[in-house]
Formats: sequence, structure tokens, C-alpha cells
Amino acid sequence: EIVMTQSPATLSVSPGERATLSCRASQSVSSNLAWYQQKPGQAPRLLIYGASTRATGIPARFSGSGSGTEFTLTISSLQSEDFAVYYCQQYNNGQGTFGQGTKVEIK
Amino acid sequence: EVQLVESGGGLVQPGRSLRLSCAASGFTFDDYAMHWVRQAPGKGLEWVSGISWNSGSIGYADSVKGRFTISRDNAKNSLYLQMNSLRAEDTALYYCAKDSNSNRDGYNSAWGQGTMVTVSS
Repeated sequence: EIVMTQSPATLSVSPGERATLSCRASQSVSSNLAWYQQKPGQAPRLLIYGASTRATGIPARFSGSGSGTEFTLTISSLQSEDFAVYYCQQYNNGQGTFGQGTKVEIK
Repeated sequence: EVQLVESGGGLVQPGRSLRLSCAASGFTFDDYAMHWVRQAPGKGLEWVSGISWNSGSIGYADSVKGRFTISRDNAKNSLYLQMNSLRAEDTALYYCAKDSNSNRDGYNSAWGQGTMVTVSS
């Protein structure tokens, strides 16, 4: 089983600031990595797939990078609607394991 | 517009069974693999099971292997999860999710709103 580890667990950021979230895989997943955003009471929403491709309708302030075992989600200038929990997911082996999530909260 | 609507959740005693359903619309159902993902209260997302477009490839998380069975009926645009020998730790919101590919090796491009399963005596 591929284990996904996200850091930090919680990130306190002021509106307008940059947020950098990390995700590490226990073995290489190539670029088969997605990022999701989840707000309270809502289903997850796809942000990024293929490690760096924004999903339809996702603002350009969201960007993804990395390959192999190390990945990063960057939110360039946090807006009020961006405060949420973010999950990474690998889909390299047919078992789409998730990281434990990073909560982005208002500082 | 892609729509996924889960149903079948509820309160069930430990050791009993429950069958979840997911009705899909807005896309060609039999072109895509499908998944079940769950989220325990206050916890993160856990992939549960996935099935390819033609049911030829199926996978389960270790935590449910041997107890849960995923299936689909392409004629009815429906996905199912038969859950047997339920345990307290199976308590969660169960999401149906559409794969981006046909062979369950893609990302989850669309999600339903979930159906809640509570296992308790």
C-alpha cells in the first residue's frame, strides 16, 4: 500500500498571503497525484490532477508541482473562500489512497 | 452536468449488512470506472473500493476486504456497495466518485454528496 503523508496538519495564514502545502508518497507515484479541497459539510472538489494540471474552473492562484514522491500545492494569495481542508491523493496503482489532510485556517 | 446521488445509508447494528447505491447521470456511465470513498466523522478521506467500466477490475482497501463487495449495473447507470459484517469503525459518510478513466487508475473527477452509515447497537 502506498502511504501518503501531508504536512503540516494545520497551516495558519493571513488573507492575501501565500500558502504552501506538502504531500509525500511512500514510493514513487510518478505524476499520478491529485489535490482536493473540502469545506465543512461539502463533498471534496477536485483542484489539481496530474500533479500540476488545474481542473476546470479552478483559479490560477492554485498551482501544483512535483513528481515521484514529493509534491506541493501552492495557493499564491489566499482568499476567504480558500480556507478549507486540502487532501492529496495518489492514483498510480488503482487504489487511490489519500493523505490525512492539511487544514488551512485564518491567522 | 455530472450528478451522483448516493442512497441506502442508515443506522445498523454491528455484524449486520447494508447496501449502498449510487445513481449516476449527466455522463456515459459505462465509459468510466467508479469508486467508493468514505469519511468518518471529523476524520479524513479513505478510499474504500473501485470498479472498472466493465467490472473486470475491482479493488478494495484492506480494511474492508472480504466484507464489502462493489458492483455496478451499467444498464441502470448505478453503482453499489454491499457491506456485510459491519463494525463500529465503518461508521462514516460514504461518497460515490467518478473516475477520470475507464480502468480505475484515474483521479476522482466528480463526487456525490454522500450517504451516512452509522454502525451502533
